[in-house]
Amino acid sequence: DGGITQSPKYLFRKEGQNVTLSCEQNLNHDAMYWYRQDPGQGLRLIYYSQIVNDFQKGDIAEGYSVSREKKESFPLTVTSAQKNPTAFYLCASSMEAGGRARYGYTFGSGTRLTVV
Amino acid sequence: KQEVTQIPAALSVPEGENLVLNCSFTDSAIYNLQWFRQDPGKGLTSLLLIQSSQREQTSGRLNASLDKSSGRSTLYIAASQPGDSATYLCAVRSQGGSEKLVFGKGTKLTVNP
Repeated sequence: DGGITQSPKYLFRKEGQNVTLSCEQNLNHDAMYWYRQDPGQGLRLIYYSQIVNDFQKGDIAEGYSVSREKKESFPLTVTSAQKNPTAFYLCASSMEAGGRARYGYTFGSGTRLTVV
Repeated sequence: KQEVTQIPAALSVPEGENLVLNCSFTDSAIYNLQWFRQDPGKGLTSLLLIQSSQREQTSGRLNASLDKSSGRSTLYIAASQPGDSATYLCAVRSQGGSEKLVFGKGTKLTVNP
């Protein structure tokens, strides 16, 4: 079945450490997105990519980095520069990168990151 | 800048009741609106997608309406069940710019048996 796979489900980060969250999709979607979810704040966009080897900052990109070397994969690195990384991270994809943007988003099951 | 508001933030109803969740958005220049369901600690499950040219979409006991000119959408749940308990999120895909999805903060629904 097609879908989005996020791993790991739970991740623990020590102070000053970089960690990478994996996101893989087999939906043949062009665009991929990373959102952060905090209690009471809703979902906020970190980075998005509309095509391979290209990506743009979202609303809260500071302290994060991404790459899009393959259409299927969009990993997110949480760097030591991100001062408050504890949150639930969600990856999503959509079929159209732009144009009329008729299609909806599909989400993965999320990764919960905790600083220890 | 597009802003999405969902009211109420939380709702508790007895089983079997019909209910309505509300969503409003500030910029009517949208491509579509999507309703999601989120269970605790889980990802988002898409419920309904309404294109800007459509007035409503139905799936089983769910019906979503869209009034683009007034910036409003409602999600109607018929004959609610305890299994419907979850947080419901509304999101709009705006025209122009990055065309990214903008979310409301959600309505947490509890259906009591």
